[in-house]
Amino acid sequence: RKEVEQDPGPFNVPEGATVAFNCTYSNSASQSFFWYRQDCRKEPKLLMSVYSSGNEDGRFTAQLNRASQYISLLIRDSKLSDSATYLCVVAGGYQKVTFGTGTKLQVIP
Amino acid sequence: DAGVIQSPRHEVTEMGQEVTLRCKPISGHDYLFWYRQTMMRGLELLIYFNNNVPIDDSGMPEDRFSAKMPNASFSTLKIQPSEPRDSAVYFCASSSTRYNNEQFFGPGTRLTVL
Repeated sequence: RKEVEQDPGPFNVPEGATVAFNCTYSNSASQSFFWYRQDCRKEPKLLMSVYSSGNEDGRFTAQLNRASQYISLLIRDSKLSDSATYLCVVAGGYQKVTFGTGTKLQVIP
Repeated sequence: DAGVIQSPRHEVTEMGQEVTLRCKPISGHDYLFWYRQTMMRGLELLIYFNNNVPIDDSGMPEDRFSAKMPNASFSTLKIQPSEPRDSAVYFCASSSTRYNNEQFFGPGTRLTVL
């Protein structure tokens, strides 16, 4: 089983739609969780950290479920500019992080 | 700050040649990471340093790969000899425990080995 698993997609959604991605992780001792965004042929950039209590940043909401070992990202009112690959990141001790292979989102006009 | 700087941005070389990738982390960051990204395998952590000391190199694919960090502002990833299967985008990233461990990535080096 991979350490971090994501549905590669692509998710093709119309503008204004709500879309959700899930990511599962295998190491129950994982400590930190993040969502990164990567545009085509660009470097990954931090979208948001994921806290146990869940957190929201504008149209983006991230949730963590430790019992089931998954994290989620919800995007409301999708914009064309949201089209990108979303990478789930799980970190253990000593800064070691594992990236998922990413979920591709395409928002359609 | 200029962000993480990588050079070269593109490298095309022939099988068997030595390749050296360079990285300058963000000033003040105490962690530096080298990643490789391919379509098949996604983003893989190769090695990371803390205060210039290698902490975990278990992701380095084989002895052909080596990485050094002689000082806080410079790191290299060397492949010798290079092979076509090494073709990928290589990213360098840096982070600081003072800033929530967010990793800042450089623009990457796109390596093609013919």
